[in-house]
Amino acid sequence: DAGVIQSPRHEVTEMGQEVTLRCKPISGHNSLFWYRQTMMRGLELLIYFNNNVPIDDSGMPEDRFSAKMPNASFSTLKIQPSEPRDSAVYFCASSRDGNNSPLHFGNGTRLTVT
Amino acid sequence: EDQVTQSPEALRLQEGESSSLNCSYTVSGLRGLFWYRQDPGKGPEFLFTLYSAGEEKEKERLKATLTKKESFLHITAPKPEDSATYLCAINQAGTALIFGKGTTLSVSS
Repeated sequence: DAGVIQSPRHEVTEMGQEVTLRCKPISGHNSLFWYRQTMMRGLELLIYFNNNVPIDDSGMPEDRFSAKMPNASFSTLKIQPSEPRDSAVYFCASSRDGNNSPLHFGNGTRLTVT
Repeated sequence: EDQVTQSPEALRLQEGESSSLNCSYTVSGLRGLFWYRQDPGKGPEFLFTLYSAGEEKEKERLKATLTKKESFLHITAPKPEDSATYLCAINQAGTALIFGKGTTLSVSS
């Protein structure tokens, strides 16, 4: 059983460039979450989807961030334009449903914006 | 104000030296409290869910307990392979998991 798959594992880009992070959730899971992890702030929720519909995007920092889930097996998180303060590890997680089921995390994308 | 606070931030133990990690929370209407383990360069890995005060869960050398205001993760006779960051998270109705900043455990032989 493949877990949550994220790509790329590492991304280094220059300020102002567009960055797209990708996630494939576990098959059969209908909730998907994007979190960002930094030393200072820990794990912060950016957005989550239930049955491909965004439920809560209050954690998205600003309009530079956008997320989509076109189908049950794929989601993207896009940053345009990127800034150095966006440097962090971005995690995708999925759960069987949104009702108290454990989250299963991917191994993250480490983003560095120079 | 943080809704989930973990202490200590870092803990160093000798192999075999038992100890406890603390997770305190300030929300009402808790639906569940989750413990995760995170190794360097990896995503958090699910350990336990606790739903009500008085509940306990065990897995190998780990035991998690829950009261109305806090949870403890007890580590009995730890081994070097237990070294990791342990994260606590809470679930309130209508929200996704809210995580604490974690406790980084180092166990030396």
